[in-house]
Order: sequence, then structure tokens, then C-alpha cells
Amino acid sequence: QKEVEQNSGPLSVPEGAIASLNCTYSDRGSQSFFWYRQYSGKSPELIMSIYSNGDKEDGRFTAQLNKASQYVSLLIRDSQPSDSATYLCAVYTGGFKTIFGAGTRLFVKA
Amino acid sequence: SAVISQKPSRDICQRGTSLTIQCQVDSQVTMMFWYRQQPGQSLTLIATANQGSEATYESGFVIDKFPISRPNLTFSTLTVSNLSPEDSSIYLCSVDLPTSYEQYFGPGTRLTVT
Repeated sequence: QKEVEQNSGPLSVPEGAIASLNCTYSDRGSQSFFWYRQYSGKSPELIMSIYSNGDKEDGRFTAQLNKASQYVSLLIRDSQPSDSATYLCAVYTGGFKTIFGAGTRLFVKA
Repeated sequence: SAVISQKPSRDICQRGTSLTIQCQVDSQVTMMFWYRQQPGQSLTLIATANQGSEATYESGFVIDKFPISRPNLTFSTLTVSNLSPEDSSIYLCSVDLPTSYEQYFGPGTRLTVT
């Protein structure tokens, strides 16, 4: 069974610090990887997608992909209290199917 | 991206009744997806709806309990039938971009069964 694993947290970081969120996946053939942010009571919103090994930066967010290790991470620089949310890692496994991890809860302390 | 609306945003239903949730997209899409998210849990895919064909259900979900319609490329409905308290959850529809597989979600429907 294809799986996406995340540490549920909570991960607590002080304001201004770097938050590091990690994810591993089981399907070695996966090619598309995503990070979603979900605020309490809201639906998930896409914040990053990554398809190639290495780093992809978008503002304060950096996604990192290592297909050999089947590992995806998300770095949030200069963390703000507004970044406090649950972050879902998702992997497209083919056949119109995306597997979501259970999510990591992030708290940014002011 | 895509803009998705869902109706109703929330409802409280009696045990044994049914609720139909509507999902409208602002552009034509091939696939629409229905998820369930129980409190504190991640997303569980219920079914995938392709216009013009029967929906494809995931293990543990059956058409009699979760009938889905997909009459055109911008609209879908999910019915949750014969409601029990275990069906209390948030139901989300989503679409994906066919070239990137990025998914975009509607605001969700919060269902409470009493």
C-alpha cells in the first residue's frame, strides 16, 4: 500500500526562526510532490509543488526533494505566527490518485 | 488555479436521512474528487468523478452510501445516504490541473449527524 508519512508534531518554533517539515513516501515511482497548508476550519491550499530533485524556492518557502531517499521537505524561513497551521505533504502516485500525509501541526510563537 | 464553491457550507442532519453536497468549478475540468476529513485527521479519498462515466470509489466506500453525479465538466454532487453519527465529518471536493496534478479544494461542507 502506498503511503506518505509525516511527523504529526506539534512542531513549535519561535517567530523569525526556520521551520523544517519532513515527509517520506513509499512509492519509488512517484514524480509529483506537493505541500498544502491547512488552517483550522479551512480547506487545504497549495503552497508548493516540486517535481525534480533539489530545491525549489518561492518567497519564504523552500521545498526540497530527494527521490533516491524518497524524502520531501519544506523549509519556512522567518516564520511568522500566521504560518501556524497544519502542513500536508502529498504525493501523486498515478491513476489520478494523490496520497496525502496525516499532516504536521506547526506553531510559531510570537 | 481553479475557484471552487460548495453548498451547503454546513448542515445538521437527522440519523437515517441523506445530504447532497454540490460542487461548482469556475472552469471545465476532467476529474473531480471527493474527500472526507474527520476531526484531526488527514484527507481520505472517497471517489473520483469523471464526466460521462461512473465514479470510481476507493476501498471502503460504496455507491449505495455515497452516490455521485457528474452531469457536466463544471459540476458534481455527492450524496451521503442513510446518515449515521459516524458520517459526521468535513466533505471536500477538489479538482486537479491535468498537466501538473496540483489539486485545488473547495471550502468544504461540515456535516453533523444527530
